[in-house]
Amino acid sequence: QVQLVESGGGVVQPGRSLRLSCAASGFAFSDYDMHWVRQAPGKGLEWVAVMSYDGRNKYYADSVKGRFTISRDISRNTLDLYMNSLRPEDTALYYCAKDVERELSHLFDYWGQGTLVTVSS
Amino acid sequence: DIQMTQSPSSLSASVGDRITITCRASQSINNYLNWYQQKPGKAPKPLIYGASSLQSGVPSRFSGSGSGTDFTLTISSLQPEDFATYYCQQSYTTPLFTFGPGTKVDIK
Repeated sequence: QVQLVESGGGVVQPGRSLRLSCAASGFAFSDYDMHWVRQAPGKGLEWVAVMSYDGRNKYYADSVKGRFTISRDISRNTLDLYMNSLRPEDTALYYCAKDVERELSHLFDYWGQGTLVTVSS
Repeated sequence: DIQMTQSPSSLSASVGDRITITCRASQSINNYLNWYQQKPGKAPKPLIYGASSLQSGVPSRFSGSGSGTDFTLTISSLQPEDFATYYCQQSYTTPLFTFGPGTKVDIK
């Protein structure tokens, strides 16, 4: 069955960096776009970034553009999120999610359990 | 950028009630609208894609409708396990996505 397991979260000071990872299994990882979505404590969902199935294309939300970098390792079936210049407003539970195309619409059909990032001095 | 709004932001209902949640886009998104359910401490779960198509395994009491800018999620007979927060998501601007702010459904 499809599994997505995030790791790498923790407490970090403002301005510092952190790397999140998502280990994927149970599906052909190289066939699907993959996303990061975050949720600040008690708040709604915010899409963060996507990497295309072939690794050629990456897109980011304006709120993280220039600070975060998404990457994937097909050989290890992992999706990473490198977060630099972290701010208190980046504090959130970070989910990785698998994309599937359904009738031309893109749906996030599987999600991990999330990893918590807290940016605080 | 396309903005998504939802109404109401929260509602109280009883088991067996029929409820409707509305999602509105700031511009037309055709039918590129998905719905997710999230329970406390859990990851979101997909319910509806393409505005009205039921994701595999989702009970038929859930339905979606709409196109253009206005969409609805309806639960025909609310069950105890349906108390959760519901989010709409537009995929019209793929590969960029936007979620609505959510609607919390709790027990009256």
